[in-house]
Amino acid sequence: DIQMTQSPSSLSASVGDRVTITCRASQDIRNHLAWFQQKPGKAPQSLIYDASTLQSGVPSKFSGSGSGTDFTLTISSLQPEDSATYYCQQHHNYPRTFGQGTKVEIK
Amino acid sequence: EVQLLESGGGLVQPGGSLRLSCAASGFTFSSYAMSWVRQAPTKGLEWVSSISGSGGSSYYEDAVKGRFTISRDNSKNTLYLQMNYLGAEDTAIYYCVKDSGARIVGARGYFDYWGQGALVTVSS
Repeated sequence: DIQMTQSPSSLSASVGDRVTITCRASQDIRNHLAWFQQKPGKAPQSLIYDASTLQSGVPSKFSGSGSGTDFTLTISSLQPEDSATYYCQQHHNYPRTFGQGTKVEIK
Repeated sequence: EVQLLESGGGLVQPGGSLRLSCAASGFTFSSYAMSWVRQAPTKGLEWVSSISGSGGSSYYEDAVKGRFTISRDNSKNTLYLQMNYLGAEDTAIYYCVKDSGARIVGARGYFDYWGQGALVTVSS
């Protein structure tokens, strides 16, 4: 199985800050990497697939990059509504595996 | 508008069974693979099972293989998860998730839409 490791596990940043979350796969997954946002008490929402393609309706302040084993999710200007837990997931093969999550809080 | 509505969750005793349903609308159901993803209390997301659009192929995570069965009725636009021999470790919110493509074998499809989830609690 492919292991997905996110860092950091949590972070606290100010409104307007640029925030970056990293995700590392245990083997080459090309660009088959997705990102999800989950707010407390809510279902996850899809943000990005194929490492850098935004899902329909996702604001452009979110961006993704990377290929192979190393990937990043960037929020260009953090806003209060971005407070959530973010998960990466590989869609390269089965079993589909998720990272452990990164909790983003607003200072 | 894509909508996924789970039902069938609840409290069940250890060793018991439960069947979850997911009613889909807003897209051609038979053209897309579907999955179940669960989340134990205060934990992260865990993929459980996937089924192709035709229903001819399915995958399971090792922890549920032999206990859970994924199926679909394309005439009713409904996805199912039959869960048997439930244990405390199966306590979680179960999400129904739509895939971007029809196939799962050798496919690189991604999750695009999620339901609101159904809570399953296994306890005596």
